[in-house]
Amino acid sequence: GENVEQHPSTLSVQEGDSAVIKCTYSDSASNYFPWYKQELGKRPQLIIDIRSNVGEKKDQRIAVTLNKTAKHFSLHITETQPEDSAVYFCAASRAGTALIFGKGTTLSVSS
Amino acid sequence: NAGVTQTPKFRILKIGQSMTLQCTQDMNHNYMYWYRQDPGMGLKLIYYSVGAGITDKGEVPNGYNVSRSTTEDFPLRLELAAPSQTSVYFCASSYRLAGEDNEQYFGPGTRLTVT
Repeated sequence: GENVEQHPSTLSVQEGDSAVIKCTYSDSASNYFPWYKQELGKRPQLIIDIRSNVGEKKDQRIAVTLNKTAKHFSLHITETQPEDSAVYFCAASRAGTALIFGKGTTLSVSS
Repeated sequence: NAGVTQTPKFRILKIGQSMTLQCTQDMNHNYMYWYRQDPGMGLKLIYYSVGAGITDKGEVPNGYNVSRSTTEDFPLRLELAAPSQTSVYFCASSYRLAGEDNEQYFGPGTRLTVT
């Protein structure tokens, strides 16, 4: 089955810096890669996703890139703000299967 | 639209007790999921359902049971609770099964402690 590795487990940045979180997956048939954000004590919420036929997707300050050959994808957050502080989860799945999540990255943005 | 709701919010169980975690969604989603979240371990899929009457095991199904008699409800049953089942449990639903580019909506979670 699918296995998703996520790095780093914790990331601390200064406000205004960029943050990058990386994930690798094992199943070459996986074709859907979402990112979820979970604020402290709250439920996970989708922030951006990408399909395997797309190399990059942007939404304001966040972007996701996908390298199918290397089987890895990354979340990029630019101009970080304190409200970006949260746990971020990557996930992967192939058609017809449920999402498999990485272990999460705790991002801390200090002002 | 209440979205995905879960009850109870908190529960303390003694070893060997049983309980049912309730999950309801009002978005007419066919697909529903149960995850457990342990510190530093991410979200592990316990069971999922593709529609009423159909369920399937996820990554960590041992010690749990599910049923899906209606589109709206997807209860998770713990029989003979063990300390290893101490966790935060999230229910989620989606219109399509992930892999077909669709968002999962999560409930607020149930924090369970087994002592």
